[in-house]
Amino acid sequence: QIQLVQSGPELKKPGESVKISCKASGYTFTDYAMHWVKQAPGKGLKWMGWINTYTGKPTYADDFKGRFVFSLEASASTANLQISNLKNEDTATYFCARELGAPFDYWGQGVMVTVSS
Amino acid sequence: DVLMTQTPVSLPVSLGGQVSISCRSSQSLVHSDGNTYLHWYLQKPGQSPQLLIYRVSNRFSGVPDRFSGSGSGTDFTLKISRVEPEDLGVYYCLQSTHFPLTFGSGTKLEIK
Repeated sequence: QIQLVQSGPELKKPGESVKISCKASGYTFTDYAMHWVKQAPGKGLKWMGWINTYTGKPTYADDFKGRFVFSLEASASTANLQISNLKNEDTATYFCARELGAPFDYWGQGVMVTVSS
Repeated sequence: DVLMTQTPVSLPVSLGGQVSISCRSSQSLVHSDGNTYLHWYLQKPGQSPQLLIYRVSNRFSGVPDRFSGSGSGTDFTLKISRVEPEDLGVYYCLQSTHFPLTFGSGTKLEIK
């Protein structure tokens, strides 16, 4: 069955970096784009951008340019999100979700990242 | 950015009842390819969002026909009939016609 399994929760200090993974199974990884969505505690959903899993080209929403990097380990059917120079406002749950035609038909379970000194 | 305005913010409902959620966009969601990329999701408490409706009115696999989507241009509606306990949660609309993709702010469906 189709699954997107994300890595576990993270507790980081301001200024540190974090790398979150999203491992896909049950389908051909490179057939579907992978998107990233942020949800701050008690808030709504915000689209961060996406990565073309065939070419590896990332596209970022404006608010996520600079400290955020999408990458792939295609041989492992895994998409990664790295956030550097963490700030308190990066505290959130980060979801990966695949897309082809019907957008975001499958989602990862989410990774809670807490940034606190 | 396209602003997606969802109403109401909170929607009390009796089990078995019918409700409608509105989603309005600040510009037309008709793509140059002729399609309208407006979708609906439900996020149940403590869970990831799940796709209900894509491209205005297409139910995703396994979604009960109690859910229906309609609309065009800038004005869209999600209707839920015969509300069941598993329908409770926060509903979001999403537009993917324009970059960046934008979500509505959510409508919380709760028991009256």
